[in-house]
Order: sequence, then structure tokens, then C-alpha cells
Amino acid sequence: NAGVTQTPKFRVLKTGQSMTLLCAQDMNHEYMYWYRQDPGMGLRLIHYSVGEGTTAKGEVPDGYNVSRLKKQNFLLGLESAAPSQTSVYFCASSYPGRAYEQYFGPGTRLTVT
Amino acid sequence: ILNVEQSPQSLHVQEGDSTNFTCSFPSSNFYALHWYRWETAKSPEALFVMTLNGDEKKKGRISATLNTKEGYSYLYIKGSQPEDSATYLCAFTRTDKLIFGTGTRLQVFP
Repeated sequence: NAGVTQTPKFRVLKTGQSMTLLCAQDMNHEYMYWYRQDPGMGLRLIHYSVGEGTTAKGEVPDGYNVSRLKKQNFLLGLESAAPSQTSVYFCASSYPGRAYEQYFGPGTRLTVT
Repeated sequence: ILNVEQSPQSLHVQEGDSTNFTCSFPSSNFYALHWYRWETAKSPEALFVMTLNGDEKKKGRISATLNTKEGYSYLYIKGSQPEDSATYLCAFTRTDKLIFGTGTRLQVFP
């Protein structure tokens, strides 16, 4: 099992460009999450999903969109990247009702210039 | 908005020193409190999940206690080693989500 994987690992964008980050899990988890990590801020939840076709906002959803068309994939989109979105993005997944046992991906380092 | 606070923000200790950090969380509607160890350029690694008031968990030289009535948890590291250098995150379970604290960054010098 690969667990939770993220694509790409690194990316540099110019302000205004768009991109999609892909998270994939092979553990048949219902729940998936996108976090961003910034110095001194810990992990902050952007969006999450409790099942295929469902999404919900987290703490810092502005500027991001998500889609969960397939159970194993959770996509995070930036329509018009801004320097404030420079961060490390982590995806995680868990079984229903077990948010306490989240499995994290390796992270995607995004720089917006 | 739920706040999970950790202190100190950073800590520098010598090898062999014992150390502890604090995590404060809302005491109402408590479900579970988690500790993660997070090394730079790696994914967070789960250390402990604690659910009961008075819980104590131990993993090698690392242990944690939980007080749900007053809303705090302590993480202890006995005899710190350079490989313990990492950011230690606590997180509070809220329905289907984890609310993370900002972390305590520990650096252990040989």
C-alpha cells in the first residue's frame, strides 16, 4: 500500500496562475483533508471531505476550491495564486468517525512569486 | 472558533535534559486529544491519542498526561536526545476534524 500520496512534491507559480494539487489514498478512507502549514501557525485545515461527492470548508478556505469526484482522490485547486498561498500543503485521510487517526501525505511545497 | 494553544513556542535544551510542553484546549465537549511529532520535510507522525481524563500514555522516553476538566495536556521527554529535535503538535478532535495547535519546536543540542 502506498498510503497517502501527493502530487506534485514541489511547485513554483507566478501570481495569478492556477494549479491543482492531487491527493490520493489507497486505504479506502471515507474522510480526506487538506491542510496548509506555515511557520508559527501549525497545521490549518483548508477544506475536508466526508465522502465521495461531498466537501466542506475548514478554517482557511478562501482562495481554494476542492473536489472529491472519486473516493480515493481529493483535489485542491488554486484558481488565481497569490503570494500569501506560499506554503506547504498536507493531505490526510481517515476512516469515518476516526478523525483522530489521520494518515498524512508527504506534503507539497508551493511557492508563489 | 476553537483555540488550541501550545507553549512554549520553541525550546532549546542540552542532550540529556528532560523537558515538557503544554497544550491547552477547550474543556467543553471534549472527545480526544492527540500529540504528533513532526520532523522537518516529513509528514506528522502520531504519538498519542488520549480520550479519558487522567489518561497517561508512554512511548519510550516520551510520555503524556491529560486533564480534560481543566483543558490541558503535558508532553514529557526524559533524557532528550538530538534525534528528538522536531516540532511537537497537539490537536483537539472536533466532530470530523482535528484542530491543531501551533506546535512547540524542540531543538536538542549534543
